Amino acid sequence: AQSVTQLGSHVSVSEGALVLLRCNYSSSVPPYLFWYVQYPNQGLQLLLKYTSAATLVKGINGFEAEFKKSETSFHLTKPSAHMSDAAEYFCAVSKGTDKLIFGTGTRLQVFP
Amino acid sequence: DTAVSQTPKYLVTQMGNDKSIKCEQNLGHDTMYWYKQDSKKFLKIMFSYNNKELIINETVPNRFSPKSPDKAHLNLHINSLELGDSAVYFCASSQEAASSYSEQFFGPGTRLTVL
Repeated sequence: AQSVTQLGSHVSVSEGALVLLRCNYSSSVPPYLFWYVQYPNQGLQLLLKYTSAATLVKGINGFEAEFKKSETSFHLTKPSAHMSDAAEYFCAVSKGTDKLIFGTGTRLQVFP
Repeated sequence: DTAVSQTPKYLVTQMGNDKSIKCEQNLGHDTMYWYKQDSKKFLKIMFSYNNKELIINETVPNRFSPKSPDKAHLNLHINSLELGDSAVYFCASSQEAASSYSEQFFGPGTRLTVL
């Protein structure tokens, strides 16, 4: 069975600081991995996805994530946080099943 | 131009009532989904349709019945509403089925409150 674990339900950073949101996956086959963002009172929006091409994936709004098979991780990073990055972030996995399985989410707060 | 739209945005109703949520996508996608997001933000798939055919039916009470009149629409009807049905329901669509790497496009959500 496939699953993702997001470490830390809340992450707080100062504006301009590095953002690091952690995601570890469990999959019996090479997975497809996704990061989605949910702004308050909105639906989810895709930030980036890994589909077995380049291990370093660049997404929208300056975010990127690196697929590390040895660590079964797909952590999301952004060099410099902006106030507008405050949102809920979801890691998700698919392949080998017919559905997208989401992690429990990480709320990112950005302080001025 | 809204890609995935849902109506209504808010729905407040009494226990025992029957209600429907409508979803439409104008992206020309083949696959549509219903997700439930609970109060702790946990997001779980309920149903998926591909070209009007049901392909995913999670362990959902049979009080929930999806209906896809055409591939651009996927409605969710809920009978005999219970307190535990209170949640935000998201519709989504993708070009291919979820087992591929297709991006899913989400609607704005319908916040259902059962009193």
